Amino acid sequence: QSVLTQPPSASGTPGQRVTISCSGSSSNIGVNYIYWYQQFPGTAPKVLVYRNNQRPSGVPDRFSGSKSGTSASLAISGLRSEDEADYYCAAWDDSLTGWVFGGGTKLTVL
Amino acid sequence: QVQLVQSGAEVKKPGASVNVSCQASVDTFTNYYVHWLRQAPGQGFEWLGFINPSAGRISYAQKFRGRVTMTSDTSTTTIYMQLSSLRSEDTAVYYCARGGTTMMVVAWSWFDPWGQGTLVTVSS
Repeated sequence: QSVLTQPPSASGTPGQRVTISCSGSSSNIGVNYIYWYQQFPGTAPKVLVYRNNQRPSGVPDRFSGSKSGTSASLAISGLRSEDEADYYCAAWDDSLTGWVFGGGTKLTVL
Repeated sequence: QVQLVQSGAEVKKPGASVNVSCQASVDTFTNYYVHWLRQAPGQGFEWLGFINPSAGRISYAQKFRGRVTMTSDTSTTTIYMQLSSLRSEDTAVYYCARGGTTMMVVAWSWFDPWGQGTLVTVSS
């Protein structure tokens, strides 16, 4: 049972805009930054969004993050087949004094 | 290029301990926190804790306190994670990952890069 809640799956067709939600609480998302990671099968994750809405260099601007209260979302616009991957949200939890993750969302590009 | 290189796959019996290594660059070893995380088959991520390799500051996740030990070797810039009293539920890919600099608030940093992962299988 993950501390942060994500939908297990999401899908879209090429060119569409897809959003993935991440719900937490007042001890994690409500008071700390949210981070998003992308993982392809058999590989280590890569950071997509840091500190709520910042993109590392090399990450396309098709990916954007936002946060409101105790929830956050990752939006992917202009969906491409290579975006098919698992996406995870993460945040520091002040009550647990540690990092917590969502269970992951498998994105399928139809 | 920043790299974290982990040791190879392990198979352990229930009750045993496993030691996973993560070799880092001198810059990473000296100036950054290194975190350990794991991912059980088909599951999400669990954070085990972090270490400041050069200064020895360590923090373990509540769930793993008493079972996990993180150490570092300055001569080889290698970080180690030992997990004891293994059970089948510990079967997972274990990752080391660089966090923020040691001057940064831990909650304000992120994991980048990650090691390639080490599969630990616990089976009788």
